Amino acid sequence: DVKVTQSSRYLVKRTGEKVFLECVQDMDHENMFWYRQDPGLGLRLIYFSYDVKMKEKGDIPEGYSVSREKKERFSLILESASTNQTSMYLCASHLVQGNQPQHFGDGTRLSIL
Amino acid sequence: RKEVEQDPGPFNVPEGATVAFNCTYSNSASQSFFWYRQDCRKEPKLLMSVYSSGNEDGRFTAQLNRASQYISLLIRDSKLSDSATYLCVVNDRESGGGADGLTFGKGTHLIIQP
Repeated sequence: DVKVTQSSRYLVKRTGEKVFLECVQDMDHENMFWYRQDPGLGLRLIYFSYDVKMKEKGDIPEGYSVSREKKERFSLILESASTNQTSMYLCASHLVQGNQPQHFGDGTRLSIL
Repeated sequence: RKEVEQDPGPFNVPEGATVAFNCTYSNSASQSFFWYRQDCRKEPKLLMSVYSSGNEDGRFTAQLNRASQYISLLIRDSKLSDSATYLCVVNDRESGGGADGLTFGKGTHLIIQP
């Protein structure tokens, strides 16, 4: 069974702080993703990665960066957190071959005060 | 821009009834399709893939209509535990491609009432 683990379920940070959200998957998936989900807006893709050290911007990359130093780990970084980055953050991964579906982590509910 | 559209609902349905909802997609070259279920304040979980010939998993039936570019989800004998938001997901990329091609609908909210 695929396991995608996010480091925190709930996180509270202050404006201007640098915030790290970690995601680890245990199924050797090539592709990993970071989304945020807000009421009425659905899931919006921030960044994704299709290989170690590779990254691609999604629909809303501004204010975020990512890091993928190892295949199993994909980190999302808020360089200087702002209140409009308060959201539910979801990490996902999937196997490329065969158009496999994505598997999601439990999500991190981040509040920026 | 590739679009995946769903009726947001909510659909209020009595327990035991049959309910169906659709999802339309704009890219005729879309390759694969999925239904996810998301409970309140939880992550989306894969409900079922949608195959060209249609497929069934217990009380759930998924169908694909390529000509009209929509997929559907039908739930028979609905249970209180079926209350959730159902997300439609469309993959536009061919297998083996490195870049993301997944587009999520915003979801249809289903409420099963006792």
